[in-house]
Amino acid sequence: NAGVTQTPKFQVLKTGQSMTLQCAQDMNHNSMYWYRQDPGMGLRLIYYSASEGTTDKGEVPNGYNVSRLNKREFSLRLESAAPSQTSVYFCASSLQGLRNQPQHFGDGTRLSIL
Amino acid sequence: GESVGLHLPTLSVQEGDNSIINCAYSNSASDYFIWYKQESGKGPQFIIDIRSNMDKRQGQRVTVLLNKTVKHLSLQIAATQPGDSAVYFCAEKPFLSAGNMLTFGGGTRLMVKP
Repeated sequence: NAGVTQTPKFQVLKTGQSMTLQCAQDMNHNSMYWYRQDPGMGLRLIYYSASEGTTDKGEVPNGYNVSRLNKREFSLRLESAAPSQTSVYFCASSLQGLRNQPQHFGDGTRLSIL
Repeated sequence: GESVGLHLPTLSVQEGDNSIINCAYSNSASDYFIWYKQESGKGPQFIIDIRSNMDKRQGQRVTVLLNKTVKHLSLQIAATQPGDSAVYFCAEKPFLSAGNMLTFGGGTRLMVKP
């Protein structure tokens, strides 16, 4: 049981390049999330998918797109990378129903935009 | 040692002492709270959660206290060990938030001296 798996772990891009960050979970969770974490700061929500087939904007969606490919996978795309998007990106998933449940996180993708 | 919350981002304690990490949350409508531990190079790891109908919840060596009157959350770690060194985040979920989104605090770094 791997939990939440993110690929790649590290990436360096040039300004203007595009890239897709991959995330997969094997816990049969219905909700998935993408966050960014900047130095010395907490996590900020970029996009989320409450269930398969739905996606919604979070706090900082500009410059990103997402795809909920199936129940397991939720990808984050940077169409034209900018230096301001240099950050650590975390994917999370949770089982949401009648009772609140915690989100479980992957180990992140460290992205540098030059 | 005792932290005064997110305004003091680093808490240094002696191994074997108890640690108290504080968090002031912002939304009086929040009904679910989580503490996460984040080690260097890793994603946030779930420690313990508490629902708003509770004042206290205990886990293994950890206790979370919730004071809804002053919107304050604390994490107590008993007999702190070197492996407890990490950054600790609190997170809150407003009642009926879309997609069960969490709002994260800025984090407190716990350093355990041997």
